[in-house]
Amino acid sequence: AQSVTQLGSHVSVSEGALVLLRCNYSSSVPPYLFWYVQYPNQGLQLLLKYTSAATLVKGINGFEAEFKKSETSFHLTKPSAHMSDAAEYFCAVSEGNTDKLIFGTGTRLQVFP
Amino acid sequence: GAGVSQSPSNKVTEKGKDVELRCDPISGHTALYWYRQSLGQGLEFLIYFQGNSAPDKSGLPSDRFSAERTGGSVSTLTIQRTQQEDSAVYLCASSLASGGWNTEAFFGQGTRLTVV
Repeated sequence: AQSVTQLGSHVSVSEGALVLLRCNYSSSVPPYLFWYVQYPNQGLQLLLKYTSAATLVKGINGFEAEFKKSETSFHLTKPSAHMSDAAEYFCAVSEGNTDKLIFGTGTRLQVFP
Repeated sequence: GAGVSQSPSNKVTEKGKDVELRCDPISGHTALYWYRQSLGQGLEFLIYFQGNSAPDKSGLPSDRFSAERTGGSVSTLTIQRTQQEDSAVYLCASSLASGGWNTEAFFGQGTRLTVV
């Protein structure tokens, strides 16, 4: 069965610094991978998704993620953090031809001025 | 409606009572998911409906939890004999379910359940 592990429940960065949120997956078949973001007091929304078309995926708000099969990773990055990026970020995986989505435990990103 | 709608938005119930949480998915979405979000626990998968297939109930934490989806649209999550540990935000999501690669789940705002 598929699963994801997000290392670090909390990440703090200064405004303008690099953002790196880690996600490792486990899947018996080629996975489809997703990052969702939950801003304070809002619902979850899709940030970006990997569908095997390209290993480097660009999402909204300057975020991107790289699929590395050898490392079973799908880490989320942004070159320069903005105060508005403060939110909780969830990595998710779906497997094969099923749409069942399994989420990680989330990483809360704090951005300091 | 334009998005996934959940009701009620907040529910306070006494321990031991039954509760029903409702989800109206986006029209035309054949996949529907229920998740539970607790502090520090992330998004816990509960149940997944896909078209007319038997639902995947593998995430339901106990037999006090059940869900149904009528007519392939509206879903109800029922928790019987509620316990304090059931307090959480219950999230519903739906997707077009086109086979994995195009899965984009659209989430409702959730129902915050408090068991006192």
